[in-house]
Amino acid sequence: AQSVTQPDIHITVSEGASLELRCNYSYGATPYLFWYVQSPGQGLQLLLKYFSGDTLVQGIKGFEAEFKRSQSSFNLRKPSVHWSDAAEYFCAVGAGYSGGGADGLTFGKGTHLIIQP
Amino acid sequence: DAGVIQSPRHEVTEMGQEVTLRCKPISGHDYLFWYRQTMMRGLELLIYFNNNVPIDDSGMPEDRFSAKMPNASFSTLKIQPSEPRDSAVYFCASRGTSGGTGELFFGEGSRLTVL
Repeated sequence: AQSVTQPDIHITVSEGASLELRCNYSYGATPYLFWYVQSPGQGLQLLLKYFSGDTLVQGIKGFEAEFKRSQSSFNLRKPSVHWSDAAEYFCAVGAGYSGGGADGLTFGKGTHLIIQP
Repeated sequence: DAGVIQSPRHEVTEMGQEVTLRCKPISGHDYLFWYRQTMMRGLELLIYFNNNVPIDDSGMPEDRFSAKMPNASFSTLKIQPSEPRDSAVYFCASRGTSGGTGELFFGEGSRLTVL
């Protein structure tokens, strides 16, 4: 069974500082990996996704993530955070349905990002 | 293009009452998912449909929960009777099939409070 672990429940970062949110996954095949962001009272918005090719992927809002197969990780990074980045961040893993997989994504428990002024 | 539309956004009801949550997926998407989000358990997949047919309902907590998708543009999640432990945010999400990568598009959620 697939699973996602986000080891940090809360992270506090000063505005302007760099950010890294950790994500480790367990999956039996080549994973399709995603990062979503959820602002209070809102639905989830896709930040970026990885399914093949370059292991460093760029997303919206200045975020990037690096897929490391040897570490089963897909950490999210941003060089300089803004107060508006305060939100809940979810890592997710799933099968690419183009290859026949049709499951819903499995999400981590999320990391709550707090931005200090 | 309109996103996934859910209603109601907020529902407060009393224990024992029937609750119906509604979802309109993105036009052309043939997969629809219902998730539940709680502080304790995070995001849990309840059920998903492909071409209006339920594929996997193993995440539905118990018989009090039921979901239907009568056509490609509408789905309901029903709880009868509701209990306080059903209080959560329920999300609907959809995705397409052709040439995609499994990305889900989420609605804004329905926040349910059962008193």
